[in-house]
Amino acid sequence: DAGITQSPRHKVTETGTPVTLRCHQTENHRYMYWYRQDPGHGLRLIHYSYGVKDTDKGEVSDGYSVSRSKTEDFLLTLESATSSQTSVYFCAISESWLTWTNEQFFGPGTRLTVL
Amino acid sequence: DQQVKQNSPSLSVQEGRISILNCDYTNSMFDYFLWYKKYPAEGPTFLISISSIKDKNEDGRFTVFLNKSAKHLSLHIVPSQPGDSAVYFCAASASNAGNMLTFGGGTRLMVKP
Repeated sequence: DAGITQSPRHKVTETGTPVTLRCHQTENHRYMYWYRQDPGHGLRLIHYSYGVKDTDKGEVSDGYSVSRSKTEDFLLTLESATSSQTSVYFCAISESWLTWTNEQFFGPGTRLTVL
Repeated sequence: DQQVKQNSPSLSVQEGRISILNCDYTNSMFDYFLWYKKYPAEGPTFLISISSIKDKNEDGRFTVFLNKSAKHLSLHIVPSQPGDSAVYFCAASASNAGNMLTFGGGTRLMVKP
């Protein structure tokens, strides 16, 4: 199994509070991704990173920001959580940008509930 | 508008029989397709993939078929085993978008002993 951990694994918070989710990898992979999983929508890309301090937006980036100050850590921040951000969040990593040479490895997920 | 769709939210099959999971896509730029398997409380894990230059890829009990003209792919599991019970996600990517995956909504497979 790829060495990917996510913390916390579960979190309940209130609307309007800031929340930060952490993804940590021990594989030294260059690319890291944050997805959210919602019923009927599968996984949707929020943000991704192609190196330290290099990030870009995905399909559903509104309300989220990310930071990557070290190769091994990718942080996802909800500046002011809303109920629509209640979801399961997955971090993923990949060695290269090319899908057909390697797949993405996923972390165990963080279940976030915003009341 | 979802570019990758899995129209069956759930599927139930008997152990030993064939499971067929379907996936449709609308973006003609997609040229690489993957299936991921997900157990409860775990992250998705890669199962099998296929490039658009092929119409079939086989790996043990798992075979993926691609019909480009119909923009349809399917995953066959033969024979199905109770341990195959999971949610299966179809995903697609386009060469010009690198490793940006677009996922379908998932199909929950239940294999009954």
